[in-house]
Amino acid sequence: GESVGLHLPTLSVQEGDNSIINCAYSNSASDYFIWYKQESGKGPQFIIDIRSNMDKRQGQRVTVLLNKTVKHLSLQIAATQPGDSAVYFCADLLSSGAGSYQLTFGKGTKLSVIP
Amino acid sequence: NAGVMQNPRHLVRRRGQEARLRCSPMKGHSHVYWYRQLPEEGLKFMVYLQKENIIDESGMPKERFSAEFPKEGPSILRIQQVVRGDSAAYFCASSPLRSTEQQFFGPGTRLTVL
Repeated sequence: GESVGLHLPTLSVQEGDNSIINCAYSNSASDYFIWYKQESGKGPQFIIDIRSNMDKRQGQRVTVLLNKTVKHLSLQIAATQPGDSAVYFCADLLSSGAGSYQLTFGKGTKLSVIP
Repeated sequence: NAGVMQNPRHLVRRRGQEARLRCSPMKGHSHVYWYRQLPEEGLKFMVYLQKENIIDESGMPKERFSAEFPKEGPSILRIQQVVRGDSAAYFCASSPLRSTEQQFFGPGTRLTVL
């Protein structure tokens, strides 16, 4: 089964508000997580990543929090803008053996920003 | 500095035909990954290739699907005798190093099987 999954399929926020997108994972061996943004008709775009030895990592307007105890991570977007409207995926990178690693994606949360 | 390129962007095939999807990795990248995305779903890993080698094909269906990454030219994902269930978006990603975290994705090929 999937290693990662998302709590909510859709999220609507007012422009200027903060957005929080959640993700749960099941594999305790997961030690590297990535958030991707996918706009309509485009490929996933890297947003931010975090390793399991960290609890928090910040980027430009985005913060990822990792709670290993409950196997949960979240993506926070500050001052959400219309351009943030997209589907957001969390993914983890796990060894599949034979010198290969696989990205495993959750189903995604669709973020809609209300102007 | 071109990113990952995929073509065609849209492909329509009738049941039983063959589909060929092409991926040109970013310049300097020798590792290519193929993913499939069904509507309203996340991406599913299919195969990981290096030049002239298939490293991990654990996500590939056992029949009708094949992939290659020749010494020269793009990586090709080939689907023989397509069925309606093959309709999906197929994404290619590339990386400069072995299975590095930084995989850069192409725009995808949307395959529709009639």
